[in-house]
Amino acid sequence: GAVVSQHPSWVICKSGTSVKIECRSLDFQATTMFWYRQFPKQSLMLMATSNEGSKATYEQGVEKDKFLINHASLTLSTLTVTSAHPEDSSFYICSATSGGPNTGELFFGEGSRLTVL
Amino acid sequence: QQQVKQSPQSLIVQKGGISIINCAYENTAFDYFPWYQQFPGKGPALLIAIRPDVSEKKEGRFTISFNKSAKQFSLHIMDSQPGDSATYFCAAAKNQAGTALIFGKGTTLSVSS
Repeated sequence: GAVVSQHPSWVICKSGTSVKIECRSLDFQATTMFWYRQFPKQSLMLMATSNEGSKATYEQGVEKDKFLINHASLTLSTLTVTSAHPEDSSFYICSATSGGPNTGELFFGEGSRLTVL
Repeated sequence: QQQVKQSPQSLIVQKGGISIINCAYENTAFDYFPWYQQFPGKGPALLIAIRPDVSEKKEGRFTISFNKSAKQFSLHIMDSQPGDSATYFCAAAKNQAGTALIFGKGTTLSVSS
């Protein structure tokens, strides 16, 4: 199956710093990428939808100025958590789709665990 | 508004037993229903998926049953094994390019040996 790679898999940062997480589709062109956030023992909550070359669409309650998403190419999307605070500590997961006829068949990355001290 | 409701929250099954997880959805525009398996510290992995044109789909020990009129679907794991112990999420999406999956809250399955 298609592979989606995330980097880093885990990161620890100090409060107030910014952290960038990369999501790459390794063997297909991802027209759309999604960013999810998952707190311990909870479900995946959609944060934003990112289409290549256009601005991301954020879900209600997600601060677009805090969670910067860039989808500059068909194989790379980045999520930057700006001025991170301890409450931003979470598991961030990206997923990607080629937007083909089998819509909805998303391929997920392995996730990136962010810990803000 | 929770669009996909999943139950139970947790489930303990003996080895060799049948694990059943249920989901219900509200949006009749949904027409893609996957189940994902997630191990701790890992991203979710697609297990099996169904579209509304069939009422059941089986892949190995995993079966999805789909009831369109009731807007419900369920995952059955036959001959459950300790290695099946994980968190399972149902999800739903519209058949539209670029549409995100909406996830249920998850079920933590523990299979005792």
